[in-house]
Amino acid sequence: NAGVTQTPKFRILKIGQSMTLQCTQDMNHNYMYWYRQDPGMGLKLIYYSVGAGITDKGEVPNGYNVSRSTTEDFPLRLELAAPSQTSVYFCASSPTRVSSYEQYFGPGTRLTVT
Amino acid sequence: AQRVTQPEKLLSVFKGAPVELKCNYSYSGSPELFWYVQYSRQRLQLLLRHISRESIKGFTADLNKGETSFHLKKPFAQEEDSAMYYCALNRSKAAGNKLTFGGGTRVLVKP
Repeated sequence: NAGVTQTPKFRILKIGQSMTLQCTQDMNHNYMYWYRQDPGMGLKLIYYSVGAGITDKGEVPNGYNVSRSTTEDFPLRLELAAPSQTSVYFCASSPTRVSSYEQYFGPGTRLTVT
Repeated sequence: AQRVTQPEKLLSVFKGAPVELKCNYSYSGSPELFWYVQYSRQRLQLLLRHISRESIKGFTADLNKGETSFHLKKPFAQEEDSAMYYCALNRSKAAGNKLTFGGGTRVLVKP
């Protein structure tokens, strides 16, 4: 299993541009998450999904959108990129068994907005 | 509001010395706490969870509800323990298992 994969690894955007960060998992997990990590800070939840067709906001959703049309994919869309969105973005997934709350993380996407 | 605090941004210890990473939380319900670790050039991964009461790679962590703490300890640090460590709180067991992370502690184990 590849686990959680993210593309691209790095990206530089100009202010006002848009892009989609891709996230795919092959573990058949129902729960998926997007986090951002600013320098020297912990991870903050942007959006999450508990299954295909169901998404909800996390702590810092402004400026982002998500969709979940399949169990495997959970893309994150940035519209009108701003310098404040410069960050490292992590996607994660989790099984829904009651006894297991481990989240499995992707390698991250480092985004710079200039 | 739920909050996780890791007061030390950097811990530097010598190999063989004990290491303790502090984690304090605020949460009104029954907490579920985790330690995640990120080694250099690797993904963030689960180290241990309080509910398992296990020792992983020599690390243990005890949940102290009275002091609202979940400190991570290892009696004899090894160079391979050098990494970023994050304490995390599951704040929504009923809907999505959303985690709140602390700011992280970088551990440097010197030879």
